[in-house]
Amino acid sequence: EAGVAQSPRYKIIEKRQSVAFWCNPISGHATLYWYQQILGQGPKLLIQFQNNGVVDDSQLPKDRFSAERLKGVDSTLKIQPAKLEDSAVYLCASSLVRDTDTQYFGPGTRLTVL
Amino acid sequence: DAKTTQPTSMDCAEGRAANLPCNHSTISGNEYVYWYRQIHSQGPQYIIHGLKNNETNEMASLIITEDRKSSTLILPHATLRDTAVYYCIVRARNSGGSNYKLTFGKGTLLTVNP
Repeated sequence: EAGVAQSPRYKIIEKRQSVAFWCNPISGHATLYWYQQILGQGPKLLIQFQNNGVVDDSQLPKDRFSAERLKGVDSTLKIQPAKLEDSAVYLCASSLVRDTDTQYFGPGTRLTVL
Repeated sequence: DAKTTQPTSMDCAEGRAANLPCNHSTISGNEYVYWYRQIHSQGPQYIIHGLKNNETNEMASLIITEDRKSSTLILPHATLRDTAVYYCIVRARNSGGSNYKLTFGKGTLLTVNP
């Protein structure tokens, strides 16, 4: 079974530029999560989708971050404009059902904002 | 949300059992204890979870105290590849009250030495 795919694996941009990350969850997984992991800390949930609807985006900085999950499969997370403090690893995870199931994580995208 | 307390780091000799403690004294009756680990430069990986009873799978054993205020993850025969950050997580509801999310702390860095 293929795992969660993410691209790109690495991205370097300058502050005030925009960037987008892509995630393809495990086939059949209805729930998709985006996490931000700053160096030395545990992952922090940014947004959770159930199919193509948003379940929880309470910790998403909506003035600069946006995410979508069209057709309930792939998802894109965008940052515009980026700030220095956005430097982090962005992890995508998926699970079969929302409340009780194991989350499977992708390898992440390491973003460096200069 | 119930919070967890874990030691910052631990060492273990290869081939010996690794016992990772976690305190979650404010856990409520319907909250599960989850363990994930994160090997360097990879996404977190699910290990095991439990509610009240001890659990075992092919990766590890989870021992939960009778009062559920603490637990121990046991890797019976640690190998060098088990070197990772181990996260103990109590699964909590989000602000909407209808969903569950994983809140990661800083975890325990387990170093398995040859």
